[in-house]
Amino acid sequence: GQNIDQPTEMTATEGAIVQINCTYQTSGFNGLFWYQQHAGEAPTFLSYNVLDGLEEKGRFSSFLSRSKGYSYLLLKELQMKDSASYLCAVRDSNYQLIWGAGTKLIIKP
Amino acid sequence: IAGITQAPTSQILAAGRRMTLRCTQDMRHNAMYWYRQDLGLGLRLIHYSNTAGTTGKGEVPDGYSVSRANTDDFPLTLASAVPSQTSVYFCASSKQGGDTEAFFGQGTRLTVV
Repeated sequence: GQNIDQPTEMTATEGAIVQINCTYQTSGFNGLFWYQQHAGEAPTFLSYNVLDGLEEKGRFSSFLSRSKGYSYLLLKELQMKDSASYLCAVRDSNYQLIWGAGTKLIIKP
Repeated sequence: IAGITQAPTSQILAAGRRMTLRCTQDMRHNAMYWYRQDLGLGLRLIHYSNTAGTTGKGEVPDGYSVSRANTDDFPLTLASAVPSQTSVYFCASSKQGGDTEAFFGQGTRLTVV
């Protein structure tokens, strides 16, 4: 079956760096996505990786290793507003998105 | 303001009743999607449409139907609601099916009692 694994919850300190991991097993691969979802709100797009390596976008970076079925989202200089759930999703061979359950990130002052 | 709008925001529905969740986008996106989000589970695709006039089944289509009469609207109908359909429903759109970025509506919180 298809599976996306990510930690349920993580805690980090304001101003610090946090890495949220995602491992996947899917039937085919056509890209990996990270979305941010604040409580009670809609998911919003953060990043897209289709080739191995690191994609940097401001304070957020996303890394992909297709051979390992692994990605991480790196958040630097954490701010209180970064408290949210971070959703990992993989597009499979049918171009359908398979979503992880999300990682709830708690930022403490 | 351009975007994607869902209605209602929340609803309590008696089991066995029929309900249509509305979704409208004004971005002229070709592809639209309906997901449900349940605690501890990832978003699950119910139905999708890659262009007006066509629809397809997602991962969990049973008990739901959709139509895509035009580009802007993509309503989701529960013919006879059951308690297991209690969930938060998100409509989303993208320029094309398989695009890198999807835009989500604010969600409809549905409780079936």
